Amino acid sequence: ILNVEQSPQSLHVQEGDSTNFTCSFPSSNFYALHWYRWETAKSPEALFVMTLNGDEKKKGRISATLNTKEGYSYLYIKGSQPEDSATYLCAFMTYNQGGKLIFGQGTELSVKP
Amino acid sequence: AAGVIQSPRHLIKEKRETATLKCYPIPRHDTVYWYQQGPGQDPQFLISFYEKMQSDKGSIPDRFSAQQFSDYHSELNMSSLELGDSALYFCASSLLGGNEQFFGPGTRLTVL
Repeated sequence: ILNVEQSPQSLHVQEGDSTNFTCSFPSSNFYALHWYRWETAKSPEALFVMTLNGDEKKKGRISATLNTKEGYSYLYIKGSQPEDSATYLCAFMTYNQGGKLIFGQGTELSVKP
Repeated sequence: AAGVIQSPRHLIKEKRETATLKCYPIPRHDTVYWYQQGPGQDPQFLISFYEKMQSDKGSIPDRFSAQQFSDYHSELNMSSLELGDSALYFCASSLLGGNEQFFGPGTRLTVL
């Protein structure tokens, strides 16, 4: 059974704070690691797809790193804003699983003005 | 840009009834995935299709079936509904070989 773990489960920060969350995944048969941002009643929005060990990707104030050897990825948000409030999901894809995503339980971020 | 469309957005059914959920992928996307997210749970993979053929199957009950049509839209048919089928059902689409999956807003199914 492949398990993807995210921590923390929820996070409450003040506007302007920087924050980060962790996604742990199996290090064997790694193919890709996805980060999604999901607001209630909306479609999960793809943030990053990461494939290479040591990858770092950035989109505005959000960035992510990947360590496939030890099986973890970090998502960073610099200077959190209230509009960053959402659930952040990571999902793991292996070589021989036909493209299906194995999700973690998500980190729910709440940013107070 | 066109996104993945799912219908209906909300559905309420009684136990033992049937339900059909529809998914319209992004134009030119040939692969569709279905996921189920129960209350307080991670999204779980159900089934996927590529070019109208089933490409992978996850923890999908035998009471459920799905297919992909010639226009690439997909339908998830659920029969003999049980209370435990109440969940958010996501559809995602991609191009075969593409890493990125684009998700629809989900259909929230409530079984009473």
